[in-house]
Amino acid sequence: EPEVTQTPSHQVTQMGQEVILRCVPISNHLYFYWYRQILGQKVEFLVSFYNNEISEKSEIFDDQFSVERPDGSNFTLKIRSTKLEDSAMYFCASSRGGRVATQETQYFGPGTRLLVL
Amino acid sequence: GEDVEQSLFLSVREGDSSVINCTYTDSSSTYLYWYKQEPGAGLQLLTYIFSNMDMKQDQRLTVLLNKKDKHLSLRIADTQTGDSAIYFCADSGGGSQGNLIFGKGTKLSVKP
Repeated sequence: EPEVTQTPSHQVTQMGQEVILRCVPISNHLYFYWYRQILGQKVEFLVSFYNNEISEKSEIFDDQFSVERPDGSNFTLKIRSTKLEDSAMYFCASSRGGRVATQETQYFGPGTRLLVL
Repeated sequence: GEDVEQSLFLSVREGDSSVINCTYTDSSSTYLYWYKQEPGAGLQLLTYIFSNMDMKQDQRLTVLLNKKDKHLSLRIADTQTGDSAIYFCADSGGGSQGNLIFGKGTKLSVKP
């Protein structure tokens, strides 16, 4: 069964460093998402991406964050200058359709646990 | 803004039924979801229900939706120790692309 994959599974970085989290969505999916879960808190939406551009972003997704689909399979989240409060589990998700379609169910990857020291 | 609320803990005995409850605020949701998260793992889609349905059954799982009260529940029949996990209710009402709004998750503990 096709699944969303993410690499790395864990990343430790120093405050101020740049990190790139990678995701390979399900191959026939068209909509891509990033969410994060700070330890003990809710899973929060960061950004959605369709047709090579950001569809929507939350207030968390500030100028330090960017997303890219560099080729036909990868979807990346870059944090330009990490802060301590960026420590969280980051989940990538993909769906066949968006909200107005009938195939909007989002499938999640296993997550990347980011620790900023 | 939209919100999803769940109770944080539920403890049951193996073989009993578990019922996990959720309330949501957004009346424009098209789908409501249940995801399962095992320790250290990602979010596994368990089941979902379309907003014009009031019940969906999938093997041991039964989802009930009361749209008037904005109340969603997940019943797990014959709960097993392998069902121990955190269960997240999610509402697809966020934004124009259906960004999911999650509850805090209910930690289900199954005692042998």
